[in-house]
Amino acid sequence: GQQLNQSPQSMFIQEGEDVSMNCTSSSIFNTWLWYKQDPGEGPVLLIALYKAGELTSNGRLTAQFGITRKDSFLNISASIPSDVGIYFCAGQTMTTDSWGKLQFGAGTQVVVTP
Amino acid sequence: DAGVTQSPTHLIKTRGQQVTLRCSPKSGHDTVSWYQQALGQGPQFIFQYYEEEERQRGNFPDRFSGHQFPNYSSELNVNALLLGDSALYLCASSPGLAGVRSYNEQFFGPGTRLTVL
Repeated sequence: GQQLNQSPQSMFIQEGEDVSMNCTSSSIFNTWLWYKQDPGEGPVLLIALYKAGELTSNGRLTAQFGITRKDSFLNISASIPSDVGIYFCAGQTMTTDSWGKLQFGAGTQVVVTP
Repeated sequence: DAGVTQSPTHLIKTRGQQVTLRCSPKSGHDTVSWYQQALGQGPQFIFQYYEEEERQRGNFPDRFSGHQFPNYSSELNVNALLLGDSALYLCASSPGLAGVRSYNEQFFGPGTRLTVL
């Protein structure tokens, strides 16, 4: 089952508002990734994080690698209708037997209303 | 630059049958991972192939097997299908060199929707 706790499960926001979501784990991660999935599509990589405290932006998206290495955050500023979709966090733990084995959260469903 | 491609798009099978799904990685990638995504959940790691060998495996039974070809493309085989195997099967590719920063940046295909009746 899921080992990452992602919240909120869903959010309904108005166009122009900012969106924040987070992901926590009981394990220490060495990599955090954020993906967006549209209906009928595969997840699309948005941001990759590799260092504790790292803050990375991709357009209106900003993600941070938590200092404890057990959490990560994604913010979307000034949301627009095309931001609708499911956002997933994914990570890899620091054990060598986990190389390449991404764990995913259950996703945050974002709905943007005009 | 072609991304990750998967075939078929949709598949309907009955319990007990066997199925083969196919994946071609993104240009320049030599590592392929397979994931199962049940409705309303995040993807679950099945296994990863590199240099034609299974390098990592998740918590899936032996009914799930795979193969990687010299051109880096890959197949996922599922035997003795169960109703619970109904899901979206995703293939992801990445650069294969462990230790390289982009190693874990996995790029996904559109998936194959498998329905088991």
